[in-house]
Amino acid sequence: NAGVTQTPKFQVLKTGQSMTLQCAQDMNHEYMSWYRQDPGMGLRLIHYSVGAGITDQGEVPNGYNVSRSTTEDFPLRLLSAAPSQTSVYFCASGRTRSTDTQYFGPGTRLTVL
Amino acid sequence: AQSVTQPDIHITVSEGASLELRCNYSYGATPYLFWYVQSPGQGLQLLLKYFSGDTLVQGIKGFEAEFKRSQSSFNLRKPSVHWSDAAEYFCAVANGGATNKLIFGTGTLLAVQP
Repeated sequence: NAGVTQTPKFQVLKTGQSMTLQCAQDMNHEYMSWYRQDPGMGLRLIHYSVGAGITDQGEVPNGYNVSRSTTEDFPLRLLSAAPSQTSVYFCASGRTRSTDTQYFGPGTRLTVL
Repeated sequence: AQSVTQPDIHITVSEGASLELRCNYSYGATPYLFWYVQSPGQGLQLLLKYFSGDTLVQGIKGFEAEFKRSQSSFNLRKPSVHWSDAAEYFCAVANGGATNKLIFGTGTLLAVQP
């Protein structure tokens, strides 16, 4: 198993540009989540999904869009990038919503100029 | 609202010394608690977790943590630190018991002196 994979590893955008951060898992996990990590703030939940076709907002959803058309993939879209979205983004997946481990991907480091 | 506090932003220990990283949580019911480690430029690796039962939890790499309900704490310990333990450590709690919605502390950066 590859586990949770994320692409790209690094990305630089200009303000106003759009892009999609990719996340895929090959463990047949129903639950997937996106977090952002900022210095001194730990990780904060952006959006999450409990299965194909079902998504919901986390703590910091503004400026981000998600969809879940398959069990394997959970892309995160930035519609109009802002410097405040400069961060490291982590995708995670898990088999259930309780008593289960969340497995994290390696992260995408995004810089918005 | 639930929250996690890691009071120590940065800790330095000597190699071979013991380590304790503090974590306090705020949650009314029995929490699901986690410790993750992040090496520089890497993703997060689960060290250990607590859901119920024995309050002393053993994890990987020789780490353990003790859940103390009376103190709302879940401190991470290691009896003898190795240079390879230098990393950032995050405590997390499952929001409303949902492990797919973790609330993280701000992290403790561990430096190990030779």
